Amino acid sequence: GNSVTQMEGPVTLSEEAFLTINCTYTATGYPSLFWYVQYPGEGLQLLLKATKADDKGSNKGFEATYRKETTSFHLEKGSVQVSDSAVYFCALSTLSNNAGNMLTFGGGTRLMVKP
Amino acid sequence: DVKVTQSSRYLVKRTGEKVFLECVQDMDHENMFWYRQDPGLGLRLIYFSYDVKMKEKGDIPEGYSVSREKKERFSLILESASTNQTSMYLCASSTPGTGFHEQYFGPGTRLTVT
Repeated sequence: GNSVTQMEGPVTLSEEAFLTINCTYTATGYPSLFWYVQYPGEGLQLLLKATKADDKGSNKGFEATYRKETTSFHLEKGSVQVSDSAVYFCALSTLSNNAGNMLTFGGGTRLMVKP
Repeated sequence: DVKVTQSSRYLVKRTGEKVFLECVQDMDHENMFWYRQDPGLGLRLIYFSYDVKMKEKGDIPEGYSVSREKKERFSLILESASTNQTSMYLCASSTPGTGFHEQYFGPGTRLTVT
């Protein structure tokens, strides 16, 4: 079956530090990969995506590259801000017969950025 | 602006009560989903619906049922709430199809069963 493993948190960083959150996956077929972000008190929002090998997704200074050879999709940001404090979820999608894309999520990683 | 709303942000119920969680989307999406979110486990799919009155079980349907009488509304029902159903419940919606279609999430309902 499909599964997503991401590093456990919380990850605590100082403002302007470099961020890496690791994500690896197991999937049948050729999934698309995503990072979702959940800010305090809110639902999940799509942060970035990649649909094929070597694709790089990017948004708001965050980047992740689809690495098929290592089945990984690590999230990076060069300089984090306090406003980046949130829970980050790595996810993959596969197709169902009826509903199109079905998402499988990792456990989530809480990021706390201190001023 | 895309919107998925959930009827309550916080809910406290007693063991054995019947609980209804409501979700409404205003994007005319065919697909709707119910997830539960638990620390360290991420989001796990309970049920989804791909059309009015159509539903399929997700990964953890035991103890839950759903209802979709109108396209914009998807209800999650706990027939007899138990303490192990204390969790955050998230609703989402999307359009179907083989290409990428983003799932849009509501803010969640934090349910406590005592």
